[in-house]
Amino acid sequence: AQSVAQPEDQVNVAEGNPLTVKCTYSVSGNPYLFWYVQYPNRGLQFLLKYITGDNLVKGSYGFEAEFNKSQTSFHLKKPSALVSDSALYFCAVRNPMDTGRRALTFGSGTRLQVQP
Amino acid sequence: EAQVTQNPRYLITVTGKKLTVTCSQNMNHEYMSWYRQDPGLGLRQIYYSMNVEVTDKGDVPEGYKVSRKEKRNFPLILESPSPNQTSLYFCASSLLAGGGETQYFGPGTRLLVL
Repeated sequence: AQSVAQPEDQVNVAEGNPLTVKCTYSVSGNPYLFWYVQYPNRGLQFLLKYITGDNLVKGSYGFEAEFNKSQTSFHLKKPSALVSDSALYFCAVRNPMDTGRRALTFGSGTRLQVQP
Repeated sequence: EAQVTQNPRYLITVTGKKLTVTCSQNMNHEYMSWYRQDPGLGLRQIYYSMNVEVTDKGDVPEGYKVSRKEKRNFPLILESPSPNQTSLYFCASSLLAGGGETQYFGPGTRLLVL
């Protein structure tokens, strides 16, 4: 069974500072990894994904994530946080061998609070 | 605009009163899916569909039904809602291509069952 852990319920960072939201996963074989963001009263918005290739993936709004196979991690990063980045962030994994159900397994979410 | 829409966005109902949450996508996606989101549990898949008339159970299908009569629509049906189905529901869709396709989510439907 696959799983995702987001060890921090909340991350606080000052505006302008770099931010990291942590994610570790467990899945058989090579994973498909995703990050989504949820703003209040909004749906999940796709940020970025790792399928194959370069371990550093760049996505929307200046976010990036690094796939580390040995540490089974896919941490989300941004060099300079904005107050508008404050939201709930979800990491998700899918097993490429699952060509049927294609279910994303989500972490429990990390709330990012960026202080002015 | 490419999007997944859900209706209603908010719904309060009583135990046992049948309800339907609609989901529609305008991206010609073959794959559609329903998830529920509960605090501390992330999102869990309820049902999914690979194409018209092809549906199957996800992780938590009990108490739910779905249908896929048209490619763009994938309604979620609660025949006899119970309080433990109070949750935030998301519909998602994606292409079925080579793999790793991004799933796009609707805005969510917040359901309260009294």
